[in-house]
Amino acid sequence: QITLKESGPTLVKPTQTLTLTCTFSGFSLSTRAVDVAWIRQPPGKAPEWLALIRGNDDEIYSPSLKTRLTITKDTSRSQVVLTMTNMDPVDTATYFCAHRLTLRGLDYWGQGTPVTVSS
Amino acid sequence: DIQMTQSPSTLSASVGDRVTITCRASQSISSWLAWYQQKPGIAPKLLIYEASTLESGVPSSFSGSGSGTEFTLTISSLQPDDFATYHCQQYKNGWTFGQGTKVEIK
Repeated sequence: QITLKESGPTLVKPTQTLTLTCTFSGFSLSTRAVDVAWIRQPPGKAPEWLALIRGNDDEIYSPSLKTRLTITKDTSRSQVVLTMTNMDPVDTATYFCAHRLTLRGLDYWGQGTPVTVSS
Repeated sequence: DIQMTQSPSTLSASVGDRVTITCRASQSISSWLAWYQQKPGIAPKLLIYEASTLESGVPSSFSGSGSGTEFTLTISSLQPDDFATYHCQQYKNGWTFGQGTKVEIK
């Protein structure tokens, strides 16, 4: 049974760095064909893909946010960590992590964690 | 960046109706398209990937078609549980979601 769960702060101040952790179970991220992605969704808006990390350690980033994002994995702890620098109120959203088998859709999602950026 | 445009933005329908949602890509994405269903406050649920492959456990009333730049999601007979927002997502070059189509009760 695959599960994912996001954790991190619910409130950050503008210019601060956000660090989110995705803790998963039921699969290994050392398998080449497995990916974990981060997606966010502002209130009332469409989802936006942020970053992806593959079992072979490839990292792929949204071009529009690439300079602000870092995604890493800790296979031994079954975690994927996303950091986003220079947070702004427009980054207020629910942040999700999700599992994917390469070339397929995102088939397992975490419940999401809300993040508000405000001073 | 590849842009994804869904139509309509909102669709009013009744239980039992056949419903079709369209998604257009700004450039060819071959068949690298997924469809998701989302209800308020809940993560999206994968329905279809690779344009027409039904995800395990998804009712056969859902189907997807298309390739290149134009794609459709069809619900053959709308059920009460199907009233939700539907998103397309391309994964040919990076990933981009469409803006969503809300299927509401007529």
